[in-house]
Order: sequence, then structure tokens, then C-alpha cells
Amino acid sequence: AQSVTQPDIHITVSEGASLELRCNYSYGATPYLFWYVQSPGQGLQLLLKYFSGDTLVQGIKGFEAEFKRSQSSFNLRKPSVHWSDAAEYFCAVGNSGAGSYQLTFGKGTKLSVIP
Amino acid sequence: EAGVTQFPSHSVIEKGQTVTLRCDPISGHDNLYWYRRVMGKEIKFLLHFVKESKQDESGMPNNRFLAERTGGTYSTLKVQPAELEDSGVYFCASSQGLHYNEQFFGPGTRLTVL
Repeated sequence: AQSVTQPDIHITVSEGASLELRCNYSYGATPYLFWYVQSPGQGLQLLLKYFSGDTLVQGIKGFEAEFKRSQSSFNLRKPSVHWSDAAEYFCAVGNSGAGSYQLTFGKGTKLSVIP
Repeated sequence: EAGVTQFPSHSVIEKGQTVTLRCDPISGHDNLYWYRRVMGKEIKFLLHFVKESKQDESGMPNNRFLAERTGGTYSTLKVQPAELEDSGVYFCASSQGLHYNEQFFGPGTRLTVL
């Protein structure tokens, strides 16, 4: 069965610092990979996704992620964090089997930003 | 364009009672998903509707949970009777098409069973 591991439950960074959130997945075939963000009181918003092609994916709000098959990783990065980036971030993998498009999520990483 | 809406935002009930959660997807989205996050755990898939049909209900925990999507528009998720372990945040999401098109999530319903 597929699974997603986000090893960091909570990360605190200073505004302007760089950010990397880790995500490792377990899936036999080529995965469909996603990063979502949830701000307080809001639903999850898609930041970016990887299906195939270029392994460096650009997303919204200045985020990017890199797919590394050899490491089964899909880490999220941002070169300079803004206070408004404080939120919870979820990595997810999609089942590429036919018919079901459910997402399997990690436990999430809560990001705090120090002004 | 309105996003995915869920009602109520919070619900507190006692063990053994019944609760019905509602989700209104984005207009025109045929796919509707229910997910649940129990505190401290992952967001887990419950089921997937395509229009009014259940495409995949492999994540439904037991027969105390009943999901419907009459007419292929809004959906309800009923828990009857509720147990303590049903507490959590229930998310609804909707999408277009038959692939991993973006799933748009609602803000969730926080259910507390006492």
C-alpha cells in the first residue's frame, strides 16, 4: 500500500530564511505527487503537483518541489519565507491505478514563521 | 466562483447520536470526495462519487457511515450512531474530469463526539 512520510511535525523559521519541507513516499509505480497548504480556517489549497517530465516543479506562492526517484522524495522548497506562509503543509501521493483518484496524505508539517 | 462549502463548520454531539454533514461542491464538478482527519493522524480518504454514483468507497470505516449524493450535486455524510473515535475533521473536495485534476477542498467540518 502506498504511504507518505513527512518526518517534521513542526518547523519554525525566520522570515526571509529559506525553507525545505521533507516528504518521502512509498509507492511501487510512478507516483502522482502533490503538495497542499492549509491556512487556519481554510480548506487545503494545491501548491503544486508532479505527474511526469521535468523533476523540478514550480508552484504558486513561490514554492517549488523536486522529485527524486532514487530517494523516493518530493521535498518542498522556498528561497525566502514570508510571514503569510505560516500554515500546515501536506504532501500527498495519488494512485495511478484506474478508476480511483483518491489521495494518500502525510501527517502534515506545521510551519511557524518568526518575524 | 464559489468554492467548496461545508456545513456545519463545527458539530458537538454525544455518543450514540446522529449527525449529518453536508458538502456543496464547485458547480459543474462531477467528482466529489470525502476525507477525514483524526487528531494527530493523516488525512484519510473515505469515498469518491462520480456524479451520483459511488466510484470508490474503500475508505469508509464501517456501516455507521452513509454517504449520499442525490442528483449529483451536493453530498451528505451521515454518522449513525456516532462513536467517540468518529471525532475529527471531515473534508470534502471536488474536481472535474476523470484524472488527477486538482481537488478543491472545503474548509472542513470539525466533529466532536462526547
